[in-house]
Amino acid sequence: DAGVIQSPRHEVTEMGQEVTLRCKPISGHDYLFWYRQTMMRGLELLIYFNNNVPIDDSGMPEDRFSAKMPNASFSTLKIQPSEPRDSAVYFCASSLPGLAGLETQYFGPGTRLLVL
Amino acid sequence: GESVGLHLPTLSVQEGDNSIINCAYSNSASDYFIWYKQESGKGPQFIIDIRSNMDKRQGQRVTVLLNKTVKHLSLQIAATQPGDSAVYFCAESSRSGSEKLVFGKGTKLTVNP
Repeated sequence: DAGVIQSPRHEVTEMGQEVTLRCKPISGHDYLFWYRQTMMRGLELLIYFNNNVPIDDSGMPEDRFSAKMPNASFSTLKIQPSEPRDSAVYFCASSLPGLAGLETQYFGPGTRLLVL
Repeated sequence: GESVGLHLPTLSVQEGDNSIINCAYSNSASDYFIWYKQESGKGPQFIIDIRSNMDKRQGQRVTVLLNKTVKHLSLQIAATQPGDSAVYFCAESSRSGSEKLVFGKGTKLTVNP
């Protein structure tokens, strides 16, 4: 298996523009997670899905952020409009449905976002 | 810039030495713990996990110790190699909570040749 796939790997955009990050989880994994990593705040969970349904979006910073999972093999994280403080590395991770959901999360390579 | 933000704990060791990375967790209800390794420019990579019904688990060159009494987790790396240089994160979750993992701030390990 190729692992979790994210695109693009790097994104540079100007403030106010819409940014869409994409993720393909590992086949067969029922859970999908979106994280953000910055020097200031470390690794933060933004939202996660189970069987394509959003379960917890309490980590989404504000209404400018939205995430969708239209099918089991694809998810998007959208920022509209983007701001310089959104600059970070965004990771997608997926996991199997283990005992009470306690299974290892496998991370993608991340998307490095820079908003000018 | 680099001088602003998280000041990660750092550990510097000589190649061939053993490394011990520590992690304190706060949720006494946490019952599953994972260590991740993150190399520069890459996503976190699973190393080893442990459930709360165990106090020790060994993998290849790595051992995780769990002390639930003091809510402490450690990762021991035997015969540390330059390729072990990375940031190491502990993560915890609770069966009675959700599937969410809560990550620690990380420790930067540097292995000197």
